[in-house]
Amino acid sequence: GAGVSQSPRYKVAKRGQDVALRCDPISGHVSLFWYQQALGQGPEFLTYFQNEAQLDKSGLPSDRFFAERPEGSVSTLKIQRTQQEDSAVYLCASSRRGVGSEAFFGQGTRLTVV
Amino acid sequence: AQKITQTQPGMFVQEKEAVTLDCTYDTSDPSYGLFWYKQPSSGEMIFLIYQGSYDQQNATEGRYSLNFQKARKSANLVISASQLGDSAMYFCAMSPGSNDYKLSFGAGTTVTVRA
Repeated sequence: GAGVSQSPRYKVAKRGQDVALRCDPISGHVSLFWYQQALGQGPEFLTYFQNEAQLDKSGLPSDRFFAERPEGSVSTLKIQRTQQEDSAVYLCASSRRGVGSEAFFGQGTRLTVV
Repeated sequence: AQKITQTQPGMFVQEKEAVTLDCTYDTSDPSYGLFWYKQPSSGEMIFLIYQGSYDQQNATEGRYSLNFQKARKSANLVISASQLGDSAMYFCAMSPGSNDYKLSFGAGTTVTVRA
């Protein structure tokens, strides 16, 4: 596609519910990243994939967070047993290699846990 | 560990004037990259400009220029000839040379351009 596509754009989840956030990167982009952006803050790194390999998941806040990219293109960020503190915008980005100047971000998924 | 500091939570600028957004950083890495992103109300992060720590010249991209002062660890963004469409949140970010995928962002500066 023309850009990074994320779905859904908005998600309201009841506390304790599992959610899955999808990211369609730009075709051919090797690298894919997930960031979490709390209200009024800058994004914070969650995890990084190179093709299907998850090379860095050091930013995932707890073992309730899980990300995958099984075929090296579409990625899913899953949050189990959501908590109110998980409420944030989840941004996905992709690039041909590392971040550099080629990283393109999607519009994000705004998750609200009630 | 890296840290990015943006001390200006919000700024107003008159249309057609220039505005400077401050950014200071702290890192022990000898090699690193500095970035500025724009985030309009629609939510996506739009890449504006990049400066490598070993680049001799300040980066420029159209109306955007990065005032890189390595000794002072500052990477201020200058937007010239502001337009109404420049109203947005602006983030300064840094990546270490060893893991260039891992951006650390500042808290951002909201810019409002007045007609």
